Amino acid sequence: GAGVSQSPSNKVTEKGKDVELRCDPISGHTALYWYRQSLGQGLEFLIYFQGNSAPDKSGLPSDRFSAERTGGSVSTLTIQRTQQEDSAVYLCASRPGLSGYEQYFGPGTRLTVT
Amino acid sequence: AQSVAQPEDQVNVAEGNPLTVKCTYSVSGNPYLFWYVQYPNRGLQFLLKYITGDNLVKGSYGFEAEFNKSQTSFHLKKPSALVSDSALYFCAVREDTDKLIFGTGTRLQVFP
Repeated sequence: GAGVSQSPSNKVTEKGKDVELRCDPISGHTALYWYRQSLGQGLEFLIYFQGNSAPDKSGLPSDRFSAERTGGSVSTLTIQRTQQEDSAVYLCASRPGLSGYEQYFGPGTRLTVT
Repeated sequence: AQSVAQPEDQVNVAEGNPLTVKCTYSVSGNPYLFWYVQYPNRGLQFLLKYITGDNLVKGSYGFEAEFNKSQTSFHLKKPSALVSDSALYFCAVREDTDKLIFGTGTRLQVFP
C-alpha cells in the first residue's frame, strides 16, 4: 500500500517568510509525528498527534512553529518568520495507533532558508 | 529521561564480512528499542524492533539485533555485509510519551 507522503520534497525560502509543510500519513494510522533532522542537532522530535487527543507539542523549538491535523489524517507543519537555523529536513511519520509500535517515515521535506 | 548512544560515527567493513553497529540505551522501565536505516535523500526505513521476548530479533534485509539487558545494549548485526548495505543507521528508544529518541547515527561503509 501507499506509504507516508510529504510535500514539497524541497523548499527554498527567504528568511522571514512563512512556510507550510504537508504530510499524508498511511491510511488508517491514528498516530502522526513530526521530526526534524539537521546536521547540528541530529534527529529531534517536534510534535505528536494521536487520534482526537490534544497533541504533544513538547518538542517544538519556538512559538514560530505550529502544526495541525485535519480530520485525523493530513497534517501541516507551519513555520512562521523562518530563520536560517530552521534549515533542516522535516520528517513525518505515522503509526497504526493501538497496535504496532514502529513508526513509518515519509521521505521528508528539505527546507533551506536563505 | 530515555536515551540511546551510538558510539561509532562510522563503521567500515569489507563485503562478505560480518558487521556490527553498536547501540547502548538508558531507560527507566522496560525498553522498546528500534533500528532504522536511511539511504541518501530518503526517509528512515524501519529494520527491526525489540519489545519483549527473545533477545535475538530478526528484521529486514537479513539484519538482526541482540538485546542484552545486563549490558544495556542493542547492537545491530548482519552475518555477511553487502555493498548495498552502505547507509546511515539509527538506533532509537520509545519514550513513555510514545515519541522516539534517536541516537546520533552510524554511517556504515561496505567496501567491495
